[in-house]
Amino acid sequence: AQSVSQHNHHVILSEAASLELGCNYSYGGTVNLFWYVQYPGQHLQLLLKYFSGDPLVKGIKGFEAEFIKSKFSFNLRKPSVQWSDTAEYFCAADRGSTLGRLYFGRGTQLTVWP
Amino acid sequence: NAGVTQTPKFQVLKTGQSMTLQCAQDMNHEYMSWYRQDPGMGLRLIHYSVGAGITDQGEVPNGYNVSRSTTEDFPLRLLSAAPSQTSVYFCASSGQYTEAFFGQGTRLTVV
Repeated sequence: AQSVSQHNHHVILSEAASLELGCNYSYGGTVNLFWYVQYPGQHLQLLLKYFSGDPLVKGIKGFEAEFIKSKFSFNLRKPSVQWSDTAEYFCAADRGSTLGRLYFGRGTQLTVWP
Repeated sequence: NAGVTQTPKFQVLKTGQSMTLQCAQDMNHEYMSWYRQDPGMGLRLIHYSVGAGITDQGEVPNGYNVSRSTTEDFPLRLLSAAPSQTSVYFCASSGQYTEAFFGQGTRLTVV
């Protein structure tokens, strides 16, 4: 069973539009959360991570995500997207008891039109 | 600092052949994993390791074998390749309370 769910399979935006990608996980207890980005033909790169502390996490390239424990969510946001943000985005989680064992969502393909 | 190095980048196999995908990391990470990426499926865990000599199965282990004799290396063996194993394979390593670092991937085609 998929333990991490991403709500949007494909999102299409114009440059300067705001972005929010949904991610939910299904674990109780301690969980570490990540957003990765994959540009065409490349490997996964970390956008941001949450281990503990401030639930609003800022990452690279103007991305941020908010951990809402009561909703089991870790949504990714960016106020103004650019054409260069076109990529596939993956939400992932590992449980505090099984570090290094990541569960991924199915990914969201973001296309930004100039 | 090389990070995670995977070889080869591309490979074509015939059904029934065996091969080993190599993965090495130079960050002294305890945890190493192999994933396969298929369209619309995200990344699925094949096998992972929490240290030298310790491995465990992930979500899709059938047809794959791993061993971890050193901290640095975590090879993935395909025992008898099948077309269903056509995929992109990623190796990753992580330390305690670090994110996973991924290799460049191996695109495998089984004909």
